[in-house]
Amino acid sequence: AQSVTQLGSHVSVSEGALVLLRCNYSSSVPPYLFWYVQYPNQGLQLLLKYTSAATLVKGINGFEAEFKKSETSFHLTKPSAHMSDAAEYFCAVTRMDSSYKLIFGSGTRLLVRP
Amino acid sequence: DSGVTQTPKHLITATGQRVTLRCSPRSGDLSVYWYQQSLDQGLQFLIQYYNGEERAKGNILERFSAQQFPDLHSELNLSSLELGDSALYFCASSVGAGENGELFFGEGSRLTVL
Repeated sequence: AQSVTQLGSHVSVSEGALVLLRCNYSSSVPPYLFWYVQYPNQGLQLLLKYTSAATLVKGINGFEAEFKKSETSFHLTKPSAHMSDAAEYFCAVTRMDSSYKLIFGSGTRLLVRP
Repeated sequence: DSGVTQTPKHLITATGQRVTLRCSPRSGDLSVYWYQQSLDQGLQFLIQYYNGEERAKGNILERFSAQQFPDLHSELNLSSLELGDSALYFCASSVGAGENGELFFGEGSRLTVL
């Protein structure tokens, strides 16, 4: 069964510092992987997705993620954090069969210090 | 604004009661998904409908039921409510059956069971 594990329920960085949010996946078939972001009092929105094309995926707001099959990882990075990046980030995986269920990780709350 | 509309935004009720949550998907989207978000369980997939038919089922309790109507809006019915059902319930929609994993989320319905 597909699943994702997000390491660290909370990550705190200073404004301008590198953001690194970790996600490892488990999948018996090639996965499609996603990062979603949830701002306070809002629904989730798609940041970026990996669908077996380029392993380095660029998303919105300067975020990117790299698919590493050897490490079963899909970590999210941003070179320089901004105060507006403070939110909860969810890694997700779906299986390419008849169900297409999107399975989310437990989430990582990003805090940005001034 | 994702284009997905959920009502009501907030709902407070008592144990044993029944409530109905409503979702209107983005114009043109055929799939509707229901997710439950709580502090202890995280974001849990409940059920998916595609063009009026149940497509995938997740951790949905027998006390809960859903349907998608011919106009593609969906309702999630929660009955015999328990304190543990207090959560944020999200509806999401997608163009197809979820093949590309890109879901558009509403802002959620916050249910409080007293």
